[in-house]
Amino acid sequence: GESVGLHLPTLSVQEGDNSIINCAYSNSASDYFIWYKQESGKGPQFIIDIRSNMDKRQGQRVTVLLNKTVKHLSLQIAATQPGDSAVYFCAEKSGQGGKLIFGQGTELSVKP
Amino acid sequence: DAGITQSPRHKVTETGTPVTLRCHQTENHRYMYWYRQDPGHGLRLIHYSYGVKDTDKGEVSDGYSVSRSKTEDFLLTLESATSSQTSVYFCAISERGQGDGYTFGSGTRLTVV
Repeated sequence: GESVGLHLPTLSVQEGDNSIINCAYSNSASDYFIWYKQESGKGPQFIIDIRSNMDKRQGQRVTVLLNKTVKHLSLQIAATQPGDSAVYFCAEKSGQGGKLIFGQGTELSVKP
Repeated sequence: DAGITQSPRHKVTETGTPVTLRCHQTENHRYMYWYRQDPGHGLRLIHYSYGVKDTDKGEVSDGYSVSRSKTEDFLLTLESATSSQTSVYFCAISERGQGDGYTFGSGTRLTVV
């Protein structure tokens, strides 16, 4: 697989702590949001999604929060593990047939 | 990634030469996408396809063309490669085309010298 040095914002957490990754989106008409995880040398991998008629959605160890008022999305990872170390991207879409627009990404580094 | 394969994995080519990247899927998904990933820009959509012989441009389509002659293959061609097209290229597939659970390939690193 491939990776690219993205020179991204970095979040460093201790193993076992909770992580919060934030994303500001640009289009107030966006109605669907996804978080992706990209490990070194691999393509982005779907983590969790949320539609604009919701403000919170939970998965396994992950929670996504959506604040449409301030166009803000966050990803919370509970009990962060070394395997969570990766780059995390948010993506937004507006309307039927709309294309995914990706954010710049945040690099999560987990210290053992 | 299961169900989607990109080839080649790495390529070095000279400025001005044509280059074709291939994306092959075994999921029978209708929608296929080509993205490029660069520092400072994240993932940007080049072209996408919503069916055999049905394609459309993304946000950074200049200098690229695509073809989809069968469901499983989506080809990206750089008509005359330039150094600005040095990048990592990702293919993605989707069943419903609404962004739900896009599945990405492992990427192709292209270097234009």
